[in-house]
Amino acid sequence: GAVVSQHPSWVICKSGTSVKIECRSLDFQATTMFWYRQFPKQSLMLMATSNEGSKATYEQGVEKDKFLINHASLTLSTLTVTSAHPEDSSFYICSAGTGGDNSPLHFGNGTRLTVT
Amino acid sequence: GQNIDQPTEMTATEGAIVQINCTYQTSGFNGLFWYQQHAGEAPTFLSYNVLDGLEEKGRFSSFLSRSKGYSYLLLKELQMKDSASYLCAALDSNYQLIWGAGTKLIIKP
Repeated sequence: GAVVSQHPSWVICKSGTSVKIECRSLDFQATTMFWYRQFPKQSLMLMATSNEGSKATYEQGVEKDKFLINHASLTLSTLTVTSAHPEDSSFYICSAGTGGDNSPLHFGNGTRLTVT
Repeated sequence: GQNIDQPTEMTATEGAIVQINCTYQTSGFNGLFWYQQHAGEAPTFLSYNVLDGLEEKGRFSSFLSRSKGYSYLLLKELQMKDSASYLCAALDSNYQLIWGAGTKLIIKP
């Protein structure tokens, strides 16, 4: 089945530093990848849609200069949290479809970010 | 506006059957997904319905009524490992996923 690999699984960083999270589709080409954030006991919140070779589309209220998304190839998208602050601590999850508008999304395992 | 409603929490007994309902209002409709999410983990795909009716997959079944904007996820022979959140998500006319807040299912022995 379709596999999405997300790395790292967890990261602790100091306030003011930047953190990069990678999302790879291992056995399929993902034209579009999605980045979500999830706070404890809350549902997924879509942050941005990442399209290969073009700029990401950010949801309202998500700072594009703070959450840099790069989708350089059909199998890799990265999310960089710049100048992280404690309020950025969250569970970040990427997902990608196998192709076709009605195909199910497959999720990476998520990245637990803690900013101290 | 677009909206997904599902119960916040449900409790059921091991070995029993539970039905988790989801109603949706979206701009256009291109299908409905159910995902399972254990605490601290990413969601995993359970089912996808685009036509009316019941789709059965082992212990899990999913039902859709497009005219009523309604779906349910039916879990049979409940096991303790089924304790998780179940997320309902509808695909709108732009093929954007609209997510429900999830239903936390608690299984008791």
